[in-house]
Amino acid sequence: AQTVTQSQPEMSVQEAETVTLSCTYDTSESDYYLFWYKQPPSRQMILVIRQEAYKQQNATENRFSVNFQKAAKSFSLKISDSQLGDAAMYFCAYRSPNTGNQFYFGTGTSLTVIP
Amino acid sequence: DAMVIQNPRYQVTQFGKPVTLSCSQTLNHNVMYWYQQKSSQAPKLLFHYYDKDFNNEADTPDNFQSRRPNTSFCFLDIRSPGLGDAAMYLCATSGPRSSYEQYFGPGTRLTVT
Repeated sequence: AQTVTQSQPEMSVQEAETVTLSCTYDTSESDYYLFWYKQPPSRQMILVIRQEAYKQQNATENRFSVNFQKAAKSFSLKISDSQLGDAAMYFCAYRSPNTGNQFYFGTGTSLTVIP
Repeated sequence: DAMVIQNPRYQVTQFGKPVTLSCSQTLNHNVMYWYQQKSSQAPKLLFHYYDKDFNNEADTPDNFQSRRPNTSFCFLDIRSPGLGDAAMYLCATSGPRSSYEQYFGPGTRLTVT
């Protein structure tokens, strides 16, 4: 099974500043998909951003962007101009076309935004 | 809006008393998942369905069962809840291709007394 590692259990950022959350994964596959999910205190998990492994260009969604380093098996999330509503648990996830429909989640990073 | 709905949002049951949690979706997705999530932890996959094909995780206790009578609905049955089963239970759906993300419901918080 693929392993997804988030080495930062907790992070904090000042409002309006930038923060980067780390994610690494272990795989022997060349084709796969990576996701960042956000789970606010209300607990509904929502998709933040997605990256296809075959694309060299890093995905961007408004204030959220990724730094995808395929050779290093790294997939970090950068949040720019942090807002109070960004406070949440963030989970990195991996999905393979070869292992059925399973998503592999990291252990999560709890992000605090300081006013 | 297309969505994943879970009922009830909060469920209290007694130790050993069977309980059923439900999930419905309007996304017409082939795949439906049940996760158990304990405080500040990652969701733990219990099982998933691809259409009617049931896929059980190897470490899912026998105490947990699931039913999917049609595309839209999926149920989680806990036959004899123990105190350790108190958790948030998340339902999620996805399309069949690996490019599809998961869509999550709001969860059902289960308390066992």
